[in-house]
Amino acid sequence: AQSVTQLDSHVSVSEGTPVLLRCNYSSSYSPSLFWYVQHPNKGLQLLLKYTSAATLVKGINGFEAEFKKSETSFHLTKPSAHMSDAAEYFCVVSPYMEYGNKLVFGAGTILRVKS
Amino acid sequence: DVKVTQSSRYLVKRTGEKVFLECVQDMDHENMFWYRQDPGLGLRLIYFSYDVKMKEKGDIPEGYSVSREKKERFSLILESASTNQTSMYLCASSPGTGGFQPQHFGDGTRLSIL
Repeated sequence: AQSVTQLDSHVSVSEGTPVLLRCNYSSSYSPSLFWYVQHPNKGLQLLLKYTSAATLVKGINGFEAEFKKSETSFHLTKPSAHMSDAAEYFCVVSPYMEYGNKLVFGAGTILRVKS
Repeated sequence: DVKVTQSSRYLVKRTGEKVFLECVQDMDHENMFWYRQDPGLGLRLIYFSYDVKMKEKGDIPEGYSVSREKKERFSLILESASTNQTSMYLCASSPGTGGFQPQHFGDGTRLSIL
């Protein structure tokens, strides 16, 4: 069975400092992994995806994530936080072999950016 | 860009009413999904469909049904609305089968049942 654990429910950073949102996964197969962002009262927007190509994945808005199979981790980082990054972030795993493309969502991490 | 459009951003209904939530996608995607999102519970899958007229139960299908008569449209139906169905409802779509395709989400419908 697949599962996702986001290690922090809330993260607070100052504007201009680095962001680290942590995610561990469990998967029987070689997984696909995604990070989504959700701003208040909006839907989820895809930030980046890992699909067994390069282990360092670059996404939109300066975010990137590194797939580490030995650590079963897929942490999201950004070198310098901006006020507009304040949102909720979801780490998501997809069981590769299942039809219908069902996703397994982490519980979410709320990122707060202080001025 | 993929566009997933949910017919209403905010909706207020009364208990016992039959409620329809509509979702349309413009990218000819095979798969469509309905989720509800509640504080502390994250996203939970209600139903999904991988083809026209095909549907599969998700994790919390009780009290809901769905309809997919056309490929681009996926409707969620609350047969007899109850207050515990007050929630944010999110529709999503994705192409094909296999897990390497991300889902694309609409902006959500915030439904209040009074």
